[in-house]
Amino acid sequence: NAGVTQTPKFRILKIGQSMTLQCTQDMNHNYMYWYRQDPGMGLKLIYYSVGAGITDKGEVPNGYNVSRSTTEDFPLRLELAAPSQTSVYFCASSASPGGQETQYFGPGTRLLVL
Amino acid sequence: AQSVAQPEDQVNVAEGNPLTVKCTYSVSGNPYLFWYVQYPNRGLQFLLKYITGDNLVKGSYGFEAEFNKSQTSFHLKKPSALVSDSALYFCAVRPYGNNRLAFGKGNQVVVIP
Repeated sequence: NAGVTQTPKFRILKIGQSMTLQCTQDMNHNYMYWYRQDPGMGLKLIYYSVGAGITDKGEVPNGYNVSRSTTEDFPLRLELAAPSQTSVYFCASSASPGGQETQYFGPGTRLLVL
Repeated sequence: AQSVAQPEDQVNVAEGNPLTVKCTYSVSGNPYLFWYVQYPNRGLQFLLKYITGDNLVKGSYGFEAEFNKSQTSFHLKKPSALVSDSALYFCAVRPYGNNRLAFGKGNQVVVIP
């Protein structure tokens, strides 16, 4: 049981490039989340999903897109990278639903946009 | 709107002394409250949560937290800090019926040998 895995661990992008951050969980969780972590700012929710085929915006969705074709995978897409997207990105998952469930986090992807 | 405040940027404590990390929240209805810890270059790990019942919640690694409804606080405590407790600690709140967490900005804890 690997939990939540993320790839890549680190990436440098040039302004205007695109990339996909991968996230996979093997706990059969319905709920999945993408956060970004900036120093002194805590975690901000980018997008989340309550099940395959269902996604919704979080606090800071601009510049990102997501899809959820399977229960296991929840990739995050950056279409036109900007320096403001330099951050550490965390994927998380939780069992459905009820509001009591703990979120399990992946190890993170560190992204640098130059 | 839900929010969480962690008023201190960094908490310094000597090894063996009690450790307290403060958290206050603002949310309508009955909240679910969480503490997570992040070690360097790692993802967040769950420590403990308050859902209902006893206001004193015990969690992993000897940590506990006390829910105080009148003061809207959920402070994290450990009776005797270890150097290995040095990490970044996040408080989070989720309103009842909502599966989205709101995180505080985090507190860096430094335990001095």
